[in-house]
Amino acid sequence: EAGVAQSPRYKIIEKRQSVAFWCNPISGHATLYWYQQILGQGPKLLIQFQNNGVVDDSQLPKDRFSAERLKGVDSTLKIQPAKLEDSAVYLCASTSGRGDYEQYFGPGTRLTVT
Amino acid sequence: DAKTTQPPSMDCAEGRAANLPCNHSTISGNEYVYWYRQIHSQGPQYIIHGLKNNETNEMASLIITEDRKSSTLILPHATLRDTAVYYCIVVAYSGAGSYQLTFGKGTKLSVIP
Repeated sequence: EAGVAQSPRYKIIEKRQSVAFWCNPISGHATLYWYQQILGQGPKLLIQFQNNGVVDDSQLPKDRFSAERLKGVDSTLKIQPAKLEDSAVYLCASTSGRGDYEQYFGPGTRLTVT
Repeated sequence: DAKTTQPPSMDCAEGRAANLPCNHSTISGNEYVYWYRQIHSQGPQYIIHGLKNNETNEMASLIITEDRKSSTLILPHATLRDTAVYYCIVVAYSGAGSYQLTFGKGTKLSVIP
């Protein structure tokens, strides 16, 4: 079974530029999560999707962050414009959404904003 | 979700048991205790979870006290590959058949040769 795929693995941009991250969850997984992990801290949930609908985006900074999962499969997280404090690893995770107990995480995208 | 308290770091000799403690004194009756770990430059990995009873799988054992206010994750024979940050998380299932993880800073376990 293929795991959660994310791309790119690394990205360096200047502040005020825009950037997009892509996630392809495990096949058949209905629930998809995006997390932000700042250096030295645990991951923080940004947004949760169930199929193509948003379950929770209460911690997503909506003035600059957006996310979509149009066909209920892969997802894109965008930052526009980026700030220095957005430097972090962005993790995607998925579960089947049928009550299973394990979230499967991708390797993450490391973003550096200069 | 209830908050957890973990020591920031621990060392363990290779081949010995690693016992990682976690306090969750405000846990509610319907909340589970989950453990994840994160090896350097990788995403978090599920280890084990439990509600009341002790649990064991191929990776670890989870011991939950009778009052459920604390728990211990046991790695029976630690190897160098077990060096990672270990997160203890208290989780309540949502009605949508899924759940959310609120990570703290975890315990950095260093396995020493």
